[in-house]
Amino acid sequence: GNSVTQMEGPVTLSEEAFLTINCTYTATGYPSLFWYVQYPGEGLQLLLKATKADDKGSNKGFEATYRKETTSFHLEKGSVQVSDSAVYFCALSESNFGNEKLTFGTGTRLTIIP
Amino acid sequence: DGGITQSPKYLFRKEGQNVTLSCEQNLNHDAMYWYRQDPGQGLRLIYYSQIVNDFQKGDIAEGYSVSREKKESFPLTVTSAQKNPTAFYLCASSIGQREGDTQYFGPGTRLTVL
Repeated sequence: GNSVTQMEGPVTLSEEAFLTINCTYTATGYPSLFWYVQYPGEGLQLLLKATKADDKGSNKGFEATYRKETTSFHLEKGSVQVSDSAVYFCALSESNFGNEKLTFGTGTRLTIIP
Repeated sequence: DGGITQSPKYLFRKEGQNVTLSCEQNLNHDAMYWYRQDPGQGLRLIYYSQIVNDFQKGDIAEGYSVSREKKESFPLTVTSAQKNPTAFYLCASSIGQREGDTQYFGPGTRLTVL
């Protein structure tokens, strides 16, 4: 079956540091890949997505590239801010007769200190 | 404003009682989903519905039930058969039937069994 493996947290960085959160996946076909962010006590918000190999998703300074050869979708940001503190989830969806089901990683908690 | 609403935000239940969590969306989405989130874990799919009057079990449907009588609404009932119901419950919706479809999440309901 499908699975997503994320970098273990928690991750603590200083403001303006470079961020990488690793994500690798296992899928039988050609999934779409997502990064979601969850702020304390809230639901998930879509951060970025990529639907085919070599696509780069980007939003709010975050980027991730769909690498089919390494089955990876690592999240990066060049300079983090305190407001980026949240839990980040990598996820994949694979269409099954038109049904899109998301498979999530366990999440990585990120804390940015001033 | 279009979006997904879940109510209540916090819910307390005595053991042995059924409880229903509300999820409403005004995005005109066909597909709706219920997930459960436990500390340190990713989200797990409980039930999903691609169209009104139709729904399918997800990965952890035991002890839960749903209905989809209206396009906008997808209530989840946590029954007394659910052995460990204390968790954060998230509802999501998407346009449906499309590869790479994005799911949009509500703010969640935190259920505590006393």
